[in-house]
Amino acid sequence: AQSVTQLGSHVSVSEGALVLLRCNYSSSVPPYLFWYVQYPNQGLQLLLKYTSAATLVKGINGFEAEFKKSETSFHLTKPSAHMSDAAEYFCAEEGQNFVFGPGTRLSVLP
Amino acid sequence: DGGITQSPKYLFRKEGQNVTLSCEQNLNHDAMYWYRQDPGQGLRLIYYSQIVNDFQKGDIAEGYSVSREKKESFPLTVTSAQKNPTAFYLCASSPKQGQGYGYTFGSGTRLTVV
Repeated sequence: AQSVTQLGSHVSVSEGALVLLRCNYSSSVPPYLFWYVQYPNQGLQLLLKYTSAATLVKGINGFEAEFKKSETSFHLTKPSAHMSDAAEYFCAEEGQNFVFGPGTRLSVLP
Repeated sequence: DGGITQSPKYLFRKEGQNVTLSCEQNLNHDAMYWYRQDPGQGLRLIYYSQIVNDFQKGDIAEGYSVSREKKESFPLTVTSAQKNPTAFYLCASSPKQGQGYGYTFGSGTRLTVV
């Protein structure tokens, strides 16, 4: 069965520091992969998606993610955190089904 | 602009009542989905529909019902059989399942039992 894991339910970084949110997928064939962001009491907004065109995917708000087949990973990064990045982040995989990871709450400290 | 509209934003239900959450999209998407979100439990699929007049149960369908009479609309009814309905409900849509389009989400409805 498909599954998506996100290491760390809560990540804290200082403003200006590197953001790294980890995601591992389970599919044995390269799936479609997504990162979504959710601000409090709002729906999910697409940050970026991987559809096999390029392994390094750039998204909105300065985020990017790299697809690594050998590690079955799709980690999300941003070079410099901003206070407005504080939110919940979900990794998702689309194969036969659409599967969300459990989410990682990002806190940005001043 | 195209998008998904969920209404109302906040909803209060008395115990034993049925309530209906609205979800409308003008994206011309074939597939629509309902998720429930509880603190610390991520997103759980309630029902989904890949085409008009057809829908399937998700992981937690008990106590819920849906209809898909129009492509644009996928209302969710929370029945009195749902024992713990207080949660944040999200509606989503996609052009087609399994083709890498991803989902577009509405802004959610927060349901509280009073």
